[in-house]
Amino acid sequence: QVQLVQSGADMKKPGSSVKVSCKASGGTFSSNAISWVRQAPGQGLEWMGGFTPIFGTPNYAQKFKGRVTITADKSTSTMYMELSSLTSEDTAVYYCARGGATIPLGYWGQGTLVTVSS
Amino acid sequence: EIVLTQSPGTLSLSPGERATLSCRASQSVPNSYLGWYQQKPGQAPRLLIYGASSRATGIPDRFTGSGSGTDFTLTISRLEPEDFAVYYCQQYGSSPITFGQGTRLEIK
Repeated sequence: QVQLVQSGADMKKPGSSVKVSCKASGGTFSSNAISWVRQAPGQGLEWMGGFTPIFGTPNYAQKFKGRVTITADKSTSTMYMELSSLTSEDTAVYYCARGGATIPLGYWGQGTLVTVSS
Repeated sequence: EIVLTQSPGTLSLSPGERATLSCRASQSVPNSYLGWYQQKPGQAPRLLIYGASSRATGIPDRFTGSGSGTDFTLTISRLEPEDFAVYYCQQYGSSPITFGQGTRLEIK
């Protein structure tokens, strides 16, 4: 049974960075794509990027290039998403989900609320 | 980038009625890699339909996806109280992955 468990809510100051984790269980970690999707309060879903560890190179949405870094720790089956230069516009719930290009997002983490406020 | 436009923005119906949700793409979705997701308040989205017409595991058969190319439809044949939620379409055939803006299905 596939499960994705994310780190807890976080509050950050403008200009800082946040790193959200997503621990996967069930299935083969390295060969499964993980995407990161965010949802601002009252808004829709926005894909930020994705990574399949076995392929080695993350794929980022143009909007977030230069600000987002997705990494994986194969030893703990954990994916990380780090977002830098935070502004209040980055206040959102961040989800990890298994899937990506050509693969639907069939399993989702519970979401991590990141609040950016001075 | 493939832009997805969902209509209507809000749909007001009663339990037992039929719901028809539309998703139109700005260009053809490769291989009909089009998914539909349901999201309830405070919850993560849930995959309902993938490949435009295949139901995900455990999804009731009152949910039906159809379409190809640029026009896709999600039909809920007889609305149950638990079906009132926000629905998103998503294309995953071309990078970047994109979502529609959502259709809110509310109780009339």
